[in-house]
Amino acid sequence: NAGVTQTPKFQVLKTGQSMTLQCAQDMNHEYMSWYRQDPGMGLRLIHYSVGAGITDQGEVPNGYNVSRSTTEDFPLRLLSAAPSQTSVYFCASTRTGGTEAFFGQGTRLTVV
Amino acid sequence: AQSVTQLGSHVSVSEGALVLLRCNYSSSVPPYLFWYVQYPNQGLQLLLKYTSAATLVKGINGFEAEFKKSETSFHLTKPSAHMSDAAEYFCAVTPSGGYSTLTFGKGTMLLVSP
Repeated sequence: NAGVTQTPKFQVLKTGQSMTLQCAQDMNHEYMSWYRQDPGMGLRLIHYSVGAGITDQGEVPNGYNVSRSTTEDFPLRLLSAAPSQTSVYFCASTRTGGTEAFFGQGTRLTVV
Repeated sequence: AQSVTQLGSHVSVSEGALVLLRCNYSSSVPPYLFWYVQYPNQGLQLLLKYTSAATLVKGINGFEAEFKKSETSFHLTKPSAHMSDAAEYFCAVTPSGGYSTLTFGKGTMLLVSP
């Protein structure tokens, strides 16, 4: 049981490049979320999903796309990376009726 | 709508001293409340959670927190700090009655000196 797995752990991008941050969970959880963590800002919600085929925006969605084609996977896409997207990204999952979010280990992204 | 305020971006204590990290929340519905800890270059680890059962919640590593509805607070305490407690701590809230996404505070860095 791996829990929530994020790949890659580290990534450096050039401004304007695109990439996808992967998030997979093997707990059959319905809820999945993406957060970004910046110094002094805590964690802020980017996008979330309440089940396959259903996604919604969080507090800071601009510059990011998501889709949820399966229960297990919830990738986060950066279409044209900007230095302001330099951050640590965390994926989380929760089962319906659950009270605890399970977090991945994070992806540290630097945009130069 | 929900929000979380953590008072003090940095808290310094001596080893063996009381740890008190403050969290106040705002929520339009009864909340679930959480404390997470993050060690350097690590992910988030759940310390404890309040889910409308006992108002005094005990967590891992000797930490506990008390939910006070009248004060809209959920402060985290530990009677005696260890060097290994040095980390960043986050308070978070979500509406009760069905999981939703978390709203986090900005975090408090706990520094422990010998």
